[in-house]
Amino acid sequence: DVKVTQSSRYLVKRTGEKVFLECVQDMDHENMFWYRQDPGLGLRLIYFSYDVKMKEKGDIPEGYSVSREKKERFSLILESASTNQTSMYLCASSLGGGDEKLFFGSGTQLSVL
Amino acid sequence: GENVEQHPSTLSVQEGDSAVIKCTYSDSASNYFPWYKQELGKGPQLIIDIRSNVGEKKDQRIAVTLNKTAKHFSLHITETQPEDSAVYFCAASFTGGFKTIFGAGTRLFVKA
Repeated sequence: DVKVTQSSRYLVKRTGEKVFLECVQDMDHENMFWYRQDPGLGLRLIYFSYDVKMKEKGDIPEGYSVSREKKERFSLILESASTNQTSMYLCASSLGGGDEKLFFGSGTQLSVL
Repeated sequence: GENVEQHPSTLSVQEGDSAVIKCTYSDSASNYFPWYKQELGKGPQLIIDIRSNVGEKKDQRIAVTLNKTAKHFSLHITETQPEDSAVYFCAASFTGGFKTIFGAGTRLFVKA
């Protein structure tokens, strides 16, 4: 089975801090994604990567950046955390090559105070 | 932009009854329609999917139907069980694309 692991289940940070959310997948998937989940809004795509060092903006990239230095690892960075970034963050991966099935991690609940 | 609308937002059924969740999508290019189930404390997990060249697909107690002309697709769960209680998300994307657009989710409660 594909395993997508997110480094933290819960995280509490202060406004203005730089925050790193880490994600690792173990099935050699080409594509990796960061979503944000908020009640009543579903899942919204922040950034995705289709190859090492390649990244593309999703629908809500403002205030975020990403890094993919190795195929298995995809990091989400909040340069200066703000209270409106309090949310559940979900990492996902997909095989690629026309296979769009997403495999999700368990999520990181981030609270910015 | 692309949009997926999902109804209802909350659904409560008695154990053994059927549950139906409906979605509509806006992008005519969409040809892949997955459904994800999210249990408490976990990430969403794919439970069934359908492609636009198929009108219906079944897997045991769950089935999906697609009306491409009307841009509607639905999830049907029969003989519901308490373990079916979860949040369900419909989604739409297209082959070779990277963006999956999700509905807002339906919280299903199955009462024993």
